[in-house]
Amino acid sequence: DSGVTQTPKHLITATGQRVTLRCSPRSGDLSVYWYQQSLDQGLQFLIQYYNGEERAKGNILERFSAQQFPDLHSELNLSSLELGDSALYFCASSSRLSWSDTQYFGPGTRLTVL
Amino acid sequence: TQLLEQSPQFLSIQEGENLTVYCNSSSVFSSLQWYRQEPGEGPVLLVTVVTGGEVKKLKRLTFQFGDARKDSSLHITAAQPGDTGLYLCLAGGTSYGKLTFGQGTILTVHP
Repeated sequence: DSGVTQTPKHLITATGQRVTLRCSPRSGDLSVYWYQQSLDQGLQFLIQYYNGEERAKGNILERFSAQQFPDLHSELNLSSLELGDSALYFCASSSRLSWSDTQYFGPGTRLTVL
Repeated sequence: TQLLEQSPQFLSIQEGENLTVYCNSSSVFSSLQWYRQEPGEGPVLLVTVVTGGEVKKLKRLTFQFGDARKDSSLHITAAQPGDTGLYLCLAGGTSYGKLTFGQGTILTVHP
């Protein structure tokens, strides 16, 4: 158990819909990262938040957005969903700002868009 | 986007054999990490290499960072069925937003 929790574990929805994925970091960790893992694209970095502020952006689509709240939990919002958005979404947390600090990954949310 | 080429994509070997996985790029990275992921779980960090030419050992696993910090390798000695999983390299530069994972190597070790 990494100490990072993600909800829900599974999510099935339809094209065009909007969903919110939630992540609670390890106690004391200030950084939260979001990643997308799919069969064709592999594991891709989406975005990083540190202590409530966005600090780094990767291959995140404009239809996706994220935020980190004062209690340090984070949410990833996916809108206007397409079939290709079906994937495993992981969040990871670390104690410091640097990406090379040990990241602890959650169990993931499997999103299926029908 | 920085490209991180990982090879081989698949590796199926017998218990006791040795293997090497490679992670290569044309870009220089500030550091590189190796992860192992099992089905249904998130990746777990194995090691971080920072210095060019650095070699780190973790039991039967040996990790090396290239002198120019553009490539890395993971060598497993006497592989065991418990080593089965997806191995991923993750690299980043000194600028934020340039985190890149390799495509992954699916390792299967048969008893």
